[in-house]
Amino acid sequence: EAGVAQSPRYKIIEKRQSVAFWCNPISGHATLYWYQQILGQGPKLLIQFQNNGVVDDSQLPKDRFSAERLKGVDSTLKIQPAKLEDSAVYLCASSFSSGSTYEQYFGPGTRLTVT
Amino acid sequence: LAKTTQPISMDSYEGQEVNITCSHNNIATNDYITWYQQFPSQGPRFIIQGYKTKVTNEVASLFIPADRKSSTLSLPRVSLSDTAVYYCLVGDIINAGNMLTFGGGTRLMVKP
Repeated sequence: EAGVAQSPRYKIIEKRQSVAFWCNPISGHATLYWYQQILGQGPKLLIQFQNNGVVDDSQLPKDRFSAERLKGVDSTLKIQPAKLEDSAVYLCASSFSSGSTYEQYFGPGTRLTVT
Repeated sequence: LAKTTQPISMDSYEGQEVNITCSHNNIATNDYITWYQQFPSQGPRFIIQGYKTKVTNEVASLFIPADRKSSTLSLPRVSLSDTAVYYCLVGDIINAGNMLTFGGGTRLMVKP
């Protein structure tokens, strides 16, 4: 079974530029998450989708971050304009519920450096 | 959201059993406890999940006392490859709208 795919793996941009990250979840997973992980910290949930609808985006900085999940499959996270403090790893995860276990599967992440 | 508290770091030696305890005093009735493992430059990986008492799988055991205000992840006979950050999460996994919050995690260093 293919895992969660993310691209690009690395991105370096200057502040005030824009950037987009792409995520392809595991086939059949209805729920998709985007996390931000700053070096030395645990992942912070930015947004959660159920199919193509937003379940929770309370921690998404909506003045500069946006995300969409068209057709309930792939998802894109965009930052415009980027700030220095956006330097982090952006993780995408997907999940499904199977019996009594609820497990999130994470992609390898995109490491963003803002200079 | 139930807040979790874990030790920042732990050291162990190969072949030993490691127990990492997580405190979650305000856990709610519908909350489950889940542990993830993260290696450098990788996304977290699911280890184990439970609601009460004891859960065991091929890699770990999870002990949850009756009051559910804490939980202990037990890794039997660790090896160097178990060096990683371990996260304890508490949340309502049944409700799709509930956020699962990662804390700072516990950095486990396994020494030869």
